[in-house]
Amino acid sequence: DSGVTQTPKHLITATGQRVTLRCSPRSGDLSVYWYQQSLDQGLQFLIQYYNGEERAKGNILERFSAQQFPDLHSELNLSSLELGDSALYFCASSVPGVYGYTFGSGTRLTVV
Amino acid sequence: AQKITQTQPGMFVQEKEAVTLDCTYDTSDPSYGLFWYKQPSSGEMIFLIYQGSYDQQNATEGRYSLNFQKARKSANLVISASQLGDSAMYFCAMREGDGNNRLAFGKGNQVVVIP
Repeated sequence: DSGVTQTPKHLITATGQRVTLRCSPRSGDLSVYWYQQSLDQGLQFLIQYYNGEERAKGNILERFSAQQFPDLHSELNLSSLELGDSALYFCASSVPGVYGYTFGSGTRLTVV
Repeated sequence: AQKITQTQPGMFVQEKEAVTLDCTYDTSDPSYGLFWYKQPSSGEMIFLIYQGSYDQQNATEGRYSLNFQKARKSANLVISASQLGDSAMYFCAMREGDGNNRLAFGKGNQVVVIP
């Protein structure tokens, strides 16, 4: 157990639907990162939050949004889902000043 | 432009032998960090080793070592005494010195250890 908790582990949904992925970082970690891993794009950075504030944005679609709550857990919202959104979505967390981070076990999203 | 390049095809390695996984990177930032992660078939991403751009010595962590050649912009991972549990995808990643700690990943190397 890495200490980063992601739920659900698997999600199957239809095109056009909206889903929410949840991430609880390791105790004490203030930063949360979201990554998408797909067969064609590989691992892509989506967005980072630090202590509730958006810190950096990567290749995140406008249909996707995220937030980090006061208890530091984070949610990634994916809407108007398309077949191409099927991927493994990772959350990771880190401690300030420590390079690199710990990944959760991921949420496998399948859009049918 | 691709920042991390991993071009080796899938590799079969005999148990107990060493394997080297190639990684080249591209950055103009003098401050950066290089990482290797392991992803077994179960899907989780496991941190293996880190090398900072200013580190004078190559990083080592148990059976993992990083062959850092700064002038060549390469950061190859060496796994010594391969075990069956080393069968996995291995990803090289780079953090650039913009303070945000986000990583750019390569496409990965598939390693299969055979008994």
